[in-house]
Amino acid sequence: DAGITQSPRHKVTETGTPVTLRCHQTENHRYMYWYRQDPGHGLRLIHYSYGVKDTDKGEVSDGYSVSRSKTEDFLLTLESATSSQTSVYFCAILRGGNTDTQYFGPGTRLTVL
Amino acid sequence: GQQLNQSPQSMFIQEGEDVSMNCTSSSIFNTWLWYKQDPGEGPVLLIALYKAGELTSNGRLTAQFGITRKDSFLNISASIPSDVGIYFCAGPPGGNQFYFGTGTSLTVIP
Repeated sequence: DAGITQSPRHKVTETGTPVTLRCHQTENHRYMYWYRQDPGHGLRLIHYSYGVKDTDKGEVSDGYSVSRSKTEDFLLTLESATSSQTSVYFCAILRGGNTDTQYFGPGTRLTVL
Repeated sequence: GQQLNQSPQSMFIQEGEDVSMNCTSSSIFNTWLWYKQDPGEGPVLLIALYKAGELTSNGRLTAQFGITRKDSFLNISASIPSDVGIYFCAGPPGGNQFYFGTGTSLTVIP
């Protein structure tokens, strides 16, 4: 257990509405990540953060923004949700040192109608 | 983006059989990670490999970091029903961005 929670766990919304997903960690890790998981694509990186207010884009960042105002929270925002953003979203942390390893949260299932 | 080719895509095996799956990348990795994901859950780390040629076991699971640093293998011995799930390989080709394979879906028939 890496002390990661995600909220909400499930959400249904309509096209064009804003959506914010929250990732919370309790172990003070510097690196946090947002992925989306879709059939046939595995896990794809959306954005990641390497510290408070320090973020960078991943492979599939279009249509998403992130914010990290505190070490423990990493927010993912869909400014105007589209049906193509229906997916399962996972947050992860990097437990570092000499053996960097990622650990995942339980996921958020988002449906955009 | 980085390509991680994982094979096979799916496997159907009898309980008690051994399982092998592998992952290849288009560039050199310094770390290889293997995860298992159950339905409705997040991926759970099974084994981490940090050195070319390294062979690491976790119970009935054994994984190897390929000598070329572009591949890795996961073996499961004497499969049991709870081994059912999707197995992913992953790694960072450099820096702290991780890339994932598309997964191997394992079904164990009792």
